[in-house]
Amino acid sequence: GDSVTQMEGPVTLSEEAFLTINCTYTATGYPSLFWYVQYPGEGLQLLLKATKADDKGSNKGFEATYRKETTSFHLEKGSVQVSDSAVYFCALRITQGGSEKLVFGKGTKLTVNP
Amino acid sequence: ETGVTQTPRHLVMGMTNKKSLKCEQHLGHNAMYWYKQSAKKPLELMFVYNFKEQTENNSVPSRFSPECPNSSHLFLHLHTLQPEDSALYLCASSRASGGHGELFFGEGSRLTVL
Repeated sequence: GDSVTQMEGPVTLSEEAFLTINCTYTATGYPSLFWYVQYPGEGLQLLLKATKADDKGSNKGFEATYRKETTSFHLEKGSVQVSDSAVYFCALRITQGGSEKLVFGKGTKLTVNP
Repeated sequence: ETGVTQTPRHLVMGMTNKKSLKCEQHLGHNAMYWYKQSAKKPLELMFVYNFKEQTENNSVPSRFSPECPNSSHLFLHLHTLQPEDSALYLCASSRASGGHGELFFGEGSRLTVL
């Protein structure tokens, strides 16, 4: 079935370090791909998305490129800030029964130290 | 303000209690979802409603009973829960079809079952 695998956390970085969180997926067809972020005590928020192969989603300095050949959607940021500390979820969209559902990875907790 | 409001934010209940979680969305969406978020596990989709009709029940135990009186409101009625049901319950909404599958989440209801 459709699934998402993302790197195990937690990830701890110093401020201004480079961030990569790996995400690979298994899906029939060509799903849309998403990264969601969950800040402490809050619900999930959409960070970025890509809807077809080779698309690059970007937001708040984060980027991810939809790679069909490697079935990947890795999240990157060139210089992280303390405020980026959160849990990051990779997800893919499937359409079933007339509604859209997201299948999520387990989440990767990021802590950025000053 | 995410457009999706959940109440209560925190709930403690005994195994013999009956309580309800409420979700309201102000985004004009027609699909609503309940997800369960437990520590160290992927988000689990519980229920999907599309135009007030339940289109997905992901093998959820009957002690969880959803209700969707209209496209803007979603409830999760709880009775005779178990301690392992303690989790963060997230409500989300989206357009029923088309678009690119973005879900908008509430901040969650943190449930503790004693």
